[in-house]
Amino acid sequence: DSGVTQTPKHLITATGQRVTLRCSPRSGDLSVYWYQQSLDQGLQFLIQYYNGEERAKGNILERFSAQQFPDLHSELNLSSLELGDSALYFCASSVDPTGELFFGEGSRLTVL
Amino acid sequence: DQQVKQNSPSLSVQEGRISILNCDYTNSMFDYFLWYKKYPAEGPTFLISISSIKDKNEDGRFTVFLNKSAKHLSLHIVPSQPGDSAVYFCAARFYRSGNTGKLIFGQGTTLQVKP
Repeated sequence: DSGVTQTPKHLITATGQRVTLRCSPRSGDLSVYWYQQSLDQGLQFLIQYYNGEERAKGNILERFSAQQFPDLHSELNLSSLELGDSALYFCASSVDPTGELFFGEGSRLTVL
Repeated sequence: DQQVKQNSPSLSVQEGRISILNCDYTNSMFDYFLWYKKYPAEGPTFLISISSIKDKNEDGRFTVFLNKSAKHLSLHIVPSQPGDSAVYFCAARFYRSGNTGKLIFGQGTTLQVKP
């Protein structure tokens, strides 16, 4: 158990819909990262927050947005979903941006 | 642009033998390299790391080698055990000012250790 909690674990939805993925970081961790793993792909970095502020942005689509709340949990919002958005979405946290990343178990999104 | 590449999607070795997983990178600004291990239905877990100022780091059965001139690193597992069967991700950190330590991951290599 990494201490990072992601919900939901599985989500099935239709094209055009919107979903929200939630992440609770390890206690004390200020930095949260979101990654996407599509079929046969590595972990693609989406976005990073540190203590509520966006710190780095990767290959995140404009249809996707994220935020980190004062209690340090984070949400990843995916809208106007397309079939290609089906993937595993991982959240990771670290004490600070130079620390080891601890990953949650992921949220598997299936868009039909 | 894939900055971290693992060109072997899979590797199969016999129990007790050595497993060698390879990784290449293109960005010479990376300052820290890591290996993560992932079992099905679980998130990746940290395995071993190496700073760019070193060329070798050892932890039990796991050793990571870094060749900066070739922009190549490898993970050696000796001896390999069936429980090592998993997906191994190579990752590199690109540290910039402003406190961002995002990791760039390779595509992963699936290791199968046969009893």
